[in-house]
Amino acid sequence: ETGVTQTPRHLVMGMTNKKSLKCEQHLGHNAMYWYKQSAKKPLELMFVYNFKEQTENNSVPSRFSPECPNSSHLFLHLHTLQPEDSALYLCASSSGQAGSSGNTIYFGEGSWLTVV
Amino acid sequence: TQLLEQSPQFLSIQEGENLTVYCNSSSVFSSLQWYRQEPGEGPVLLVTVVTGGEVKKLKRLTFQFGDARKDSSLHITAAQPGDTGLYLCAGCHNFNKFYFGSGTKLNVKP
Repeated sequence: ETGVTQTPRHLVMGMTNKKSLKCEQHLGHNAMYWYKQSAKKPLELMFVYNFKEQTENNSVPSRFSPECPNSSHLFLHLHTLQPEDSALYLCASSSGQAGSSGNTIYFGEGSWLTVV
Repeated sequence: TQLLEQSPQFLSIQEGENLTVYCNSSSVFSSLQWYRQEPGEGPVLLVTVVTGGEVKKLKRLTFQFGDARKDSSLHITAAQPGDTGLYLCAGCHNFNKFYFGSGTKLNVKP
């Protein structure tokens, strides 16, 4: 139990479907992240939110749409994905506060996405 | 190019052997983390190091942060099959910028 919960853990979707990944953190953090992890590739940062505001979009295609309604919740809305988007999607959080030492990023269990 | 270079990429050893994984950068980090990840799961935090020269021990795992806070090492003593997994290091810049190494895939054979 890392304090970051992701649902669903597994998702299979067709290329024309619309689905969403959900993330909730119980750590009182202010920064939340979406990462993509594909086989044989390093972790790829997708989006960063700090105090509900998007502070980073790492050139992610518009078929991925993030939403951060508050500091504890983060969504990734998926629409017309491609088979190459199949990967493990990881949500993470950190304190997001300047000046705090030992800043650490904590991950959820991941959502395995398969696009067919 | 990766800001954090992790080596080796792959390591296959026999149970009982010792090993060291390295994480190197030319940048200074305010903190550095090590994670272990199993297939299909999220990375699980093992340790955070903050102070240059800091050494932390977690059972058979020893973590060291370089004096200049640019590099780190993870040493496992008497590896066991349960240590098998992907080991990731991450360095923190500012307060919410994290840079990850490409990972070390460890396989410990019984």
